[in-house]
Amino acid sequence: EVQLVQSGAEVKKPGESLRISCKGSGYSFTSYWITWVRQMPGKGLEWMGRIDPSDSYTDYSPSFQGHVTLSVDKSISTAYLQWSSLKASDTAMYYCAKTNYGGNSVQWFDPWGQGTLVTVSA
Amino acid sequence: DIQMTQSPSSLSASVGDRVTITCRASQSINSFLNWYQQKSGKAPKLLIYDASSLQSGVSSRFSGSGSGTDFTLTISSLQPEDFATYYCQQSYSLPWTFGQGTKVEIK
Repeated sequence: EVQLVQSGAEVKKPGESLRISCKGSGYSFTSYWITWVRQMPGKGLEWMGRIDPSDSYTDYSPSFQGHVTLSVDKSISTAYLQWSSLKASDTAMYYCAKTNYGGNSVQWFDPWGQGTLVTVSA
Repeated sequence: DIQMTQSPSSLSASVGDRVTITCRASQSINSFLNWYQQKSGKAPKLLIYDASSLQSGVSSRFSGSGSGTDFTLTISSLQPEDFATYYCQQSYSLPWTFGQGTKVEIK
């Protein structure tokens, strides 16, 4: 079974750093990009960026460029999303997803991880 | 960035109703359009990819159509388990973007 399992909920203070994880299993981890998506409380889905686990190449949404860092450790089939200095506005649910592709270059997200809730509060 | 606009933002429907949700892109995206279902407190789930391809394991009452800028998701006969929020998403150009969501509620 293909699945992505994310790390548990985090409660942090503004200014603190954080790294959350997403572990893939049941497929060739280095053959598919991993996408990260933010969902703020009561809001919709926002694409943050993607990473190629084979070479760690990344693409970021301009809205998140410079605020977060994507990385992978392919030896343990795990992708990471990290912040160096959290803000209260980073409070959200964060999802990772396996990025599949079709013959015409269309790409889609499946499956998704279960989500990691990040709460940033003084 | 390509803007994705869904309509309506919410709708109320009864079990057995035919439901149609529309997604419009701010520029042509060919068929690079996917649909996801998100139930309360759960991760999104892929329903349709490449505008009209049904994801394996998804009920055939879900269907997608469209190309260019206008797309639709149709639920042929609404079931109790279909009450959720639905999102479209384009993968034509970076940054990939989602619609704002359509919440389907029980009438």
